[in-house]
Amino acid sequence: QVKLVQSGAEVKQPGASVKVSCKTSGYTFTDHHVHWVRQAPGQGLEWMGWIQPTSGGTKYEQKFQGRVTMTRDTSITTVYMELSSLTSDDTAVYYCARSVFDFWGQGTLVTVSS
Amino acid sequence: DIQMTQSPSSLSASVGDRVTITCRASQGIRNDLNWYQQKPGKAPKRLIYTASSLQSGVPSRFSGSGSGTEFTLTISSLQPEDFATYYCLQYNSYPWTFGQGTKVDIK
Repeated sequence: QVKLVQSGAEVKQPGASVKVSCKTSGYTFTDHHVHWVRQAPGQGLEWMGWIQPTSGGTKYEQKFQGRVTMTRDTSITTVYMELSSLTSDDTAVYYCARSVFDFWGQGTLVTVSS
Repeated sequence: DIQMTQSPSSLSASVGDRVTITCRASQGIRNDLNWYQQKPGKAPKRLIYTASSLQSGVPSRFSGSGSGTEFTLTISSLQPEDFATYYCLQYNSYPWTFGQGTKVDIK
């Protein structure tokens, strides 16, 4: 069955970077974009962008341009989302999701605190 | 950016009630809209895709309708496991945007 399994919770200091992984299985990795969505505590859902696993092509929400980098490793069917220059506003649960958000990872809590 | 205005932001209902949630898009999005259910501490779960298609495994008491700018999620008879927060998502144009959510709780 389709699974997306994310890396564990992270605590980072302001100004640092975080890299979250999303290991996929149960489908052909190159057939579906993988998206990233985040949710601040008690807030709604915010789309961040996607990566196309075949080419590595990406599209980012303008708000995150210059701070986010999405990559993939096709040999291990895993995608990564790296967010830099973290502030307290980046404290959130980060989700990966396949294609038109039909399957989701379990979420990774990133806490930014000094 | 396309704004998705979801209403109401919260509602209280009883088991067995019929519940309707609306999403209005700031411009036409054809039927490029999904509905999601989210329970505390869990990832969202897709209920409806392309505005009116029921996701496999989702109970038939959930239904979606609409096209263009006005969309509706209906729960025909609310069950205890349906108390959750519901979101719409438009994927017609970038950036993809969610409604702000509707929290359904017990009356």
